[in-house]
Amino acid sequence: AQSVTQLDSQVPVFEEAPVELRCNYSSSVSVYLFWYVQYPNQGLQLLLKYLSGSTLVKGINGFEAEFNKSQTSFHLRKPSVHISDTAEYFCAVSELDNNDMRFGAGTRLTVKP
Amino acid sequence: NAGVTQTPKFQVLKTGQSMTLQCAQDMNHEYMSWYRQDPGMGLRLIHYSVGAGITDQGEVPNGYNVSRSTTEDFPLRLLSAAPSQTSVYFCASSYWDRDTEAFFGQGTRLTVV
Repeated sequence: AQSVTQLDSQVPVFEEAPVELRCNYSSSVSVYLFWYVQYPNQGLQLLLKYLSGSTLVKGINGFEAEFNKSQTSFHLRKPSVHISDTAEYFCAVSELDNNDMRFGAGTRLTVKP
Repeated sequence: NAGVTQTPKFQVLKTGQSMTLQCAQDMNHEYMSWYRQDPGMGLRLIHYSVGAGITDQGEVPNGYNVSRSTTEDFPLRLLSAAPSQTSVYFCASSYWDRDTEAFFGQGTRLTVV
């Protein structure tokens, strides 16, 4: 089965600075890749997804991610963060031939003024 | 359009008690799933269903039962609660295609004492 590793459990950053949240996955077949965001006391919302085609994917709120098949990575980036981006971010992978989606342990992004 | 609705939002149980977490969606999604979220472990899949009458186990199914009698509802049952089941539980739904977005409920915070 597929698995996901988020390399940083916490990422503190100052407002307007760039940020990168790292995600690596493991799978023996083709996958779909997702980033979800969870604001405090809420469920998860989709930020962006990679299905096929261009390896650079743009999502909501100015986030983007790049799929790198050779490194099995799907890192999330934002060039300039805002206080409102403070949340927990989850990388997820879904294999094309099974029915479950696996999530990473999450990265808590804290944006400081 | 309510999306995915989970009840209750909070629950405290004594060890050995049983209860059912309710999940309902109004988007006519075929696929529904239950996750538990624990600190440092992300979301782990408990059970999932690909349609009415069809359910299957995820990563951590022990101690939980599910059924899917209708497309809309996917209840999760704890038959004999244990402290290890203290967690936040999320229900999610999506269309059958594995490349589509999963919609999450607001979560149920369960404490077993």
